[in-house]
Amino acid sequence: DIQMTQSPSSLSASVGDRVTITCQASQDIRNFLNWYQQKPGKAPKLLIYDASNLETGVPSRFSGSGSATDFTFTISSLQPEDIATYYCQQYDNLPPTFGPGTKVDIK
Amino acid sequence: EVQLVESGGGLIQPGGSLRLSCAASGLTVSSSYISWVRQAPGQGLEWVSVHYSGGSAYYADSVKGRFTISTDNSKNTLYLQMNSLRPEDTAVYYCARNRNGYSLFDYWGQGTLVTVSS
Repeated sequence: DIQMTQSPSSLSASVGDRVTITCQASQDIRNFLNWYQQKPGKAPKLLIYDASNLETGVPSRFSGSGSATDFTFTISSLQPEDIATYYCQQYDNLPPTFGPGTKVDIK
Repeated sequence: EVQLVESGGGLIQPGGSLRLSCAASGLTVSSSYISWVRQAPGQGLEWVSVHYSGGSAYYADSVKGRFTISTDNSKNTLYLQMNSLRPEDTAVYYCARNRNGYSLFDYWGQGTLVTVSS
């Protein structure tokens, strides 16, 4: 199985700050990488697919980049409603696997 | 609009069985790829299985031989039959649509909690 790692595991930032999360795959996954947001008690929500494509309806302050094994997720200006845990997920190979998550909160 | 609604969770003793349901609207289960993804309390997300259009399925090694996917096309519902349950199967179970047949999960249900404990 492909292993996914994320860093940091948690972060605290101020409203308006730029927030960056990295995700690394244990092998080349091309661009088959998605990012999800999960708020407490809720189902995950797809934000970014295929490494850099913004899902319809998702605010443009969210973005993604990268390919092969190294990927980045960015919130350009953190908002209070962005408090959540963010997961990367690869789907180049079965089984699809998720990173351990990054918990984002407000400083 | 696609909607997925899970049900069937509850408290079950180790070794027991449980059947989860995923009732769908806005899509046809028999011609869709739909996955089960679970989340243990306070933990991350783990993919469990996928139903392929045409009726076949694929399972994670952790549940292979114990869990089985089936469908009731008249009810447009997907099921996850879980046998020989273990404490480590305790989790919220979500069903999610695989967009265009890929493991890109664009619609999720609200989840149903399964607790395996004596």
